[in-house]
Amino acid sequence: SYELIQPPSVSVSPGQTASITCSGDKLGDKYVCWYQQKPGQSPVLVIHQDRKRPSGIPERFSGSSSGNTATLTISGTQSMDEADYYCQAWDSSAAFFGGGTKLTVL
Amino acid sequence: QVQLQESGPGLVKPSETLSLSCTVSGGSISPFYWTWIRQPPGKGLEWIGYIKYSGSTYYNPSLKSRPSISLDTSKNQFSLGLTSVTAADTAIYYCARYDSTDYLAFDYWGQGTPVTVSS
Repeated sequence: SYELIQPPSVSVSPGQTASITCSGDKLGDKYVCWYQQKPGQSPVLVIHQDRKRPSGIPERFSGSSSGNTATLTISGTQSMDEADYYCQAWDSSAAFFGGGTKLTVL
Repeated sequence: QVQLQESGPGLVKPSETLSLSCTVSGGSISPFYWTWIRQPPGKGLEWIGYIKYSGSTYYNPSLKSRPSISLDTSKNQFSLGLTSVTAADTAIYYCARYDSTDYLAFDYWGQGTPVTVSS
């Protein structure tokens, strides 16, 4: 089983930059995706292949990955960005999700 | 616009089999992987498994041999069966599309259907 570790919570002030990390063994050798989930809603893909944004996702969302850590960065964070964020990667043909990070904008 | 819609019983008795279906509209079955993911109350996401458009399957090893996923291309529908359920299988069950050629990600999700395991 492959483990992805995320901080349980991250807080950020409106307009500031939020960074959410995801750690896993040799994670930099795998593609990482990030999903945003707001309360009562289904997850939404915000970053794929480490750093690519799907159409419709604001430019303030960006991703990077190196070594054992991937990072989701939200620049100029807005109140609407408050949500749970999950990283995801594949290992040995199985998909694994991180435990999720609750982003609070206050 | 691709849409996925889960359907199935919201209550299943312990030791019985959970059965859910997902209907895909607005897009083709191929060349995607059709996936089930679940989320226990207040917890994170757990991948259950997928079926490729070719019919081959792969499941989360942690679920042992309990899950099975099938595909009905004539109905644009795929289904999940999960045997010998316990209270630990209580969760919101999502169906999702995995784009294996472009995004390499779960790019479309259903709204989720809650399933409770209880007698």
